Amino acid sequence: KQEVTQIPAALSVPEGENLVLNCSFTDSAIYNLQWFRQDPGKGLTSLLLIQSSQREQTSGRLNASLDKSSGRSTLYIAASQPGDSATYLCAVVDSWGKLQFGAGTQVVVTP
Amino acid sequence: KAGVTQTPRYLIKTRGQQVTLSCSPISGHRSVSWYQQTPGQGLQFLFEYFSETQRNKGNFPGRFSGRQFSNSRSEMNVSTLELGDSALYLCASSPDDRGWEGYTFGSGTRLTVV
Repeated sequence: KQEVTQIPAALSVPEGENLVLNCSFTDSAIYNLQWFRQDPGKGLTSLLLIQSSQREQTSGRLNASLDKSSGRSTLYIAASQPGDSATYLCAVVDSWGKLQFGAGTQVVVTP
Repeated sequence: KAGVTQTPRYLIKTRGQQVTLSCSPISGHRSVSWYQQTPGQGLQFLFEYFSETQRNKGNFPGRFSGRQFSNSRSEMNVSTLELGDSALYLCASSPDDRGWEGYTFGSGTRLTVV
């Protein structure tokens, strides 16, 4: 059974620092991995999608890496801003196309 | 391009009642998945539909059911509501049946059971 773990559960950094969010999964037979952002009481916003044949994806200040063999993905957010405060969720897509989510990392960026 | 639309945004129901939630996927997306999010359990998969067929089902009681129409719109129904059904219900759509191009989520329906 696939288990997805996100560490740390919560993170508080001053504005301008780089953020490093970790995601690990137990079954390397994933189809792809997707990072989402969720603001309180809202839906999920897709940040980056890494397909199983790729090792990383970049979008603006965001970069995500994927190492299937070790069951890890890392999301980097450069030069954090208060608007980056949110919960970040990592989800793996299994061979059935089903998303399995981690519990999330709650990020607070202080001005 | 319109996103995933979920209606209603908020619902308050009484224990024992039933409720129907609606999800309209992005135009051209044929896969619709439903998730329940609670503070204690996080995001849990309910079921997935592709071309009007239920392909996957999560570990939820039979009170939770769904369907998909020929225009890919999906509805989720919960009968005999319990207090524990209070949650944010999220739907996601994808162009294909394997999530190869990723998933796009709606804003959710907040269900409160009193």
